[in-house]
Amino acid sequence: GEDVEQSLFLSVREGDSSVINCTYTDSSSTYLYWYKQEPGAGLQLLTYIFSNMDMKQDQRLTVLLNKKDKHLSLRIADTQTGDSAIYFCAENRGGGKLIFGQGTELSVKP
Amino acid sequence: EAQVTQNPRYLITVTGKKLTVTCSQNMNHEYMSWYRQDPGLGLRQIYYSMNVEVTDKGDVPEGYKVSRKEKRNFPLILESPSPNQTSLYFCASSSQTGTIYEQYFGPGTRLTVT
Repeated sequence: GEDVEQSLFLSVREGDSSVINCTYTDSSSTYLYWYKQEPGAGLQLLTYIFSNMDMKQDQRLTVLLNKKDKHLSLRIADTQTGDSAIYFCAENRGGGKLIFGQGTELSVKP
Repeated sequence: EAQVTQNPRYLITVTGKKLTVTCSQNMNHEYMSWYRQDPGLGLRQIYYSMNVEVTDKGDVPEGYKVSRKEKRNFPLILESPSPNQTSLYFCASSSQTGTIYEQYFGPGTRLTVT
């Protein structure tokens, strides 16, 4: 299909690692992104990965990209209550066209 | 402060009454885009603009119009709103440095069409 797919909910305990998964569809997408949306706010870019990379690490965030399976994941180490939000993956299909997933609502329990 | 502003933030209207949602950015960005967010569907792109006087359809353009007469503004026009356009709308902008398209989002406009 043409959709970017994510599971809708994830619940973890504070201090655990969170892994949010995403499958995308266009193998020619140049960049893939993770955005965070806090309640009542717009989206903010968390991190991105270029399609020729397998992994990118940025402090507590690790992005893994499996191009063969068109699978993208975001791992948040030592998850805190402030990480509770909706996380969107998105792919850049070029020419200004960005496709977002449905969003994964991360709930962090103390 | 660098920002994307949208007005109004909340709007309740009736079917068929034309409305405009304004979007303005102060970052001199070339690229601007409109999205709607619906539960379980994520963000879907309505229209985007690569620069002044250049606009293109996204995934869900039906029932919407846009214009880009100046770089900072990108209004979204609903000529004859219908209840299925009840949604949360976001405007975003981005410079075109490379192709990263890091988008800066506005705070959102919650539209209800009765």
